[in-house]
Amino acid sequence: GESVGLHLPTLSVQEGDNSIINCAYSNSASDYFIWYKQESGKGPQFIIDIRSNMDKRQGQRVTVLLNKTVKHLSLQIAATQPGDSAVYFCAENTAGNNRKLIWGLGTSLAVNP
Amino acid sequence: EPEVTQTPSHQVTQMGQEVILRCVPISNHLYFYWYRQILGQKVEFLVSFYNNEISEKSEIFDDQFSVERPDGSNFTLKIRSTKLEDSAMYFCASRAGQGISGANVLTFGAGSRLTVL
Repeated sequence: GESVGLHLPTLSVQEGDNSIINCAYSNSASDYFIWYKQESGKGPQFIIDIRSNMDKRQGQRVTVLLNKTVKHLSLQIAATQPGDSAVYFCAENTAGNNRKLIWGLGTSLAVNP
Repeated sequence: EPEVTQTPSHQVTQMGQEVILRCVPISNHLYFYWYRQILGQKVEFLVSFYNNEISEKSEIFDDQFSVERPDGSNFTLKIRSTKLEDSAMYFCASRAGQGISGANVLTFGAGSRLTVL
């Protein structure tokens, strides 16, 4: 069946280092991918998205890369800060009006000072 | 910045009781969603709602669940007879759907934690 999954359940980095969070997906019919950040006790917060006709998109300190050939998505966070500590989810957004999100398990990012 | 608000933030109920979780989506949004997250697990889609009707629902969303938009601002999730396994964080989300940049981005509320005893 369709699924979105993450390679690493936990990631620990030093403050100031770059972080890379990876995600694999299996539904090639989707056209849109989103990264969400979830801090403890809060709802998912939108970080960045990318359409399937793009390979790369940059935001403020974050970059999302999409490799459709191997169905792989990654989130790069530059100069990771303690405030970046959270669980990061990739989600696949189905085509069409409904836009249901299919979520991966999540990667917990811990930033060490 | 506009936000999705949910109440209550935490509800404890006895098994078999009815529960209503409330959400106020962003005012100009057209599409509404409920997701749930059991502790330590991934977020799961429950239902989507558009134009005053359910557009899609998951296997989780059985006859015990219902949604309603009673007054044009609130969007509610009702669980008719709660079970232990309904204990989870329930997230409401909405999106604009058209016409503006970011129309397909879902904005989530902070969630309502449901504990069924």
